Amino acid sequence: EAQVTQNPRYLITVTGKKLTVTCSQNMNHEYMSWYRQDPGLGLRQIYYSMNVEVTDKGDVPEGYKVSRKEKRNFPLILESPSPNQTSLYFCASSLSGGRGHEQYFGPGTRLTVT
Amino acid sequence: AQSVTQLDSQVPVFEEAPVELRCNYSSSVSVYLFWYVQYPNQGLQLLLKYLSGSTLVKGINGFEAEFNKSQTSFHLRKPSVHISDTAEYFCAVIPRGNAGGTSYGKLTFGQGTILTVHP
Repeated sequence: EAQVTQNPRYLITVTGKKLTVTCSQNMNHEYMSWYRQDPGLGLRQIYYSMNVEVTDKGDVPEGYKVSRKEKRNFPLILESPSPNQTSLYFCASSLSGGRGHEQYFGPGTRLTVT
Repeated sequence: AQSVTQLDSQVPVFEEAPVELRCNYSSSVSVYLFWYVQYPNQGLQLLLKYLSGSTLVKGINGFEAEFNKSQTSFHLRKPSVHISDTAEYFCAVIPRGNAGGTSYGKLTFGQGTILTVHP
């Protein structure tokens, strides 16, 4: 089954404790992206990757890091989480970033930073 | 840069009634347009998209949307809703082409509209 998986689905952590949210897709997609969803703000892009070893900032990259060492994986790293990073996070992938290809979303990771 | 405005944050409606969820956008370049649906505790699922051609686009679950270039709108409609349509709906745009540009592949979302269907 074609899908985007994220782990963990739920995470409660404390300020300053480094964490990684994993994202994996099995569709051989070139383009991958991370979004955060906050009430009343919709979804905002954090980082994206056009292909292996090619990443760039989205609209809200502060406090986040990413890497794309393999085509299927695109982990999101919070080196020193803060309470304002409490949010619902979605990973997405598509065949490419252009041509209007559908972006497929993972199930989401709900992060709480205390 | 792109921006998307969904004109209603919440839309309550009775079962079997018609519904319209409104979406306006602003962009300095041509865009592709999308509607996504998010059911409770789930990820986003594509309802429909407009790439080119006919301005009336049909999607899954009986939804359709009409692209109006002059009014920069992409309103979503369904002639008769069901309880199972209760969800949050997001309008989104992506700039056409622009490989290597800062907005490449970036979905810009509206704030979302919560559709609640009452029996």
